Amino acid sequence: SQELEQSPQSLIVQEGKNLTINCTSSKTLYGLYWYKQKYGEGLIFLMMLQKGGEEKSHEKITAKLDEKKQQSSLHITASQPSHAGIYLCGAEGFNTDKLIFGTGTRLQVFP
Amino acid sequence: NAGVMQNPRHLVRRRGQEARLRCSPMKGHSHVYWYRQLPEEGLKFMVYLQKENIIDESGMPKERFSAEFPKEGPSILRIQQVVRGDSAAYFCASSAESGLGYTFGSGTRLTVV
Repeated sequence: SQELEQSPQSLIVQEGKNLTINCTSSKTLYGLYWYKQKYGEGLIFLMMLQKGGEEKSHEKITAKLDEKKQQSSLHITASQPSHAGIYLCGAEGFNTDKLIFGTGTRLQVFP
Repeated sequence: NAGVMQNPRHLVRRRGQEARLRCSPMKGHSHVYWYRQLPEEGLKFMVYLQKENIIDESGMPKERFSAEFPKEGPSILRIQQVVRGDSAAYFCASSAESGLGYTFGSGTRLTVV
């Protein structure tokens, strides 16, 4: 079965710093989703990537899917306290009809 | 155009009682997915349903847990004879078709005392 590994597990950065979160799959990714979860709340959809080499940006967040479609990265530029939360990558494998999730990355941004 | 609605938001049950969690998918969505998030852990897939059918229940515990998505009404996740280890956040997601984007509800936080 497909497994997703996220790194780092937790991250504490100072406001204004850049950061990167990685998501690595044991198998080829056919759809890669990034979500953000504020503590104690639901999931907010950030971006979805499907094609090898694809890159998408929204405000200060950029997500990429590598050419081999087995790794994705989420990059935040000039982090702010509002970026704090848990970032989850979710993936669809070949011939599956559900999302499986990585272990999550807890981000804290201090002023 | 309401999103995925889950209720209740918080549920407290004593050990041995039954818990019923409800999920109303987005309008036009006929695929429902249930996930469980234990404290300090990621989301674990439980079950995938379409109207009146269970498509994939590979993540459901073999005992005490059941799910349904009737022709009319919300999807229900039912936990019988709850134990303390069932305490978790249970999230529901829906999609129009599989692989076309998943919208999540705010979750139901179950506490077993």
